[in-house]
Order: sequence, then structure tokens, then C-alpha cells
Amino acid sequence: DTAVSQTPKYLVTQMGNDKSIKCEQNLGHDTMYWYKQDSKKFLKIMFSYNNKELIINETVPNRFSPKSPDKAHLNLHINSLELGDSAVYFCASSQGLAGTYKQFFGPGTRLTVL
Amino acid sequence: GENVEQHPSTLSVQEGDSAVIKCTYSDSASNYFPWYKQELGKGPQLIIDIRSNVGEKKDQRIAVTLNKTAKHFSLHITETQPEDSAVYFCAANGDDKIIFGKGTRLHILP
Repeated sequence: DTAVSQTPKYLVTQMGNDKSIKCEQNLGHDTMYWYKQDSKKFLKIMFSYNNKELIINETVPNRFSPKSPDKAHLNLHINSLELGDSAVYFCASSQGLAGTYKQFFGPGTRLTVL
Repeated sequence: GENVEQHPSTLSVQEGDSAVIKCTYSDSASNYFPWYKQELGKGPQLIIDIRSNVGEKKDQRIAVTLNKTAKHFSLHITETQPEDSAVYFCAANGDDKIIFGKGTRLHILP
């Protein structure tokens, strides 16, 4: 059984478009995250939600809007896509806030903006 | 805030030899240090973690050591195998989040 799943796995789109990535976890965790991994493999946190409440917003452009309809889901909507948005986006979850609990990552969504 | 430095960025070892990856952190309040392995095309996977109340932890061929005074922690992989080839990330906690090092690409040579 997949613990943290993301859809789609690959996303290719034109500059200026709007797209969404979905994430679901079946671990019963309270906290979920979005990370961005650039071409140099650097992993940087974008957002974290705890019990559907936004906890961390790491100075991400407001073109990126996360939404957590319930504790098991955290979606990422991106408006007006730019070339620099091309990256792999990972969803993750943990039982509580990441400072204390282990984080589990999804398989990633590779976004390519043309 | 917390800053995590990781070395080396690339490491090649002969199959069967040991590999060591080193990290330093800046925030003395950090007390949780996970290590992740990322295989090609996959998400990072937690392989071992250590909390600041212990100095060493071992799980089969993998061990992690922590020196709180020097703010150093290291990953040791013994008897390396081809399936150990991957990118490894160290991390430390700070401000309710995990801060990752920049990764070490480990190549196991036949």
C-alpha cells in the first residue's frame, strides 16, 4: 500500500498555464508538506500544514497556493507557470511537526515548464 | 535559522569498502538528525535517524554518529553494495521543519 501518493507523476505544460498537483497520505498523519527539488537536487521546504492549518510558508511566490481539504490531502495549485518553476515537487507527511517526527515522502511530481 | 553543510558532494567507493558522509549544523538547539536515501526517480526515504540524547545508532550496515559539542554528525555505510548507489541527504530540525544538506551522490564501483 502506498503511504504517500502524488498525482500526476509527470507534468509538462506551457509558460503562463495554471496547474495542480495532488497529494494523499494514508498514514493517519497530522502534518503534510510540499518540497521543491531543483536540478542540483537541493531539497527546500515550501509549505507545511498541521491539521489543515498552514504552519510554514517559506517565502514562496503567491502564485503557489496550497490547499488542505482534510488531514489526508494537501494539494498544490500553481498559477501563471514560469520556466523557473520546473523542478520535482515532493509531498511528505509526518505524525506531528517535523522537528520531532519522522517524515515520509511521496514519489514526486516532475514539472516541466516549456 | 538552522544551516546544514554536507560533504562530500560526490563519493565513489569500491564495492565492499566503507563510505562516510559528514554533516555539520549551526543551531545548537537542533535535537533530531535524520538521514535520507534518494534513488533515481524516487522520493527520499528515511534510512536512519538519531536524536541528541545518544551519540551513536546502528542498523545493520548503517550507523550514524553525533558529536553535539562540535555540531557534527556522520553516516557510515560498511560493506557497500551496488544497491547503496544513490543520493544521501543529512538533515537537522529547526523551527518545526527539517533543513536538508545539499546531498552526497554515492557511487559504488564494481
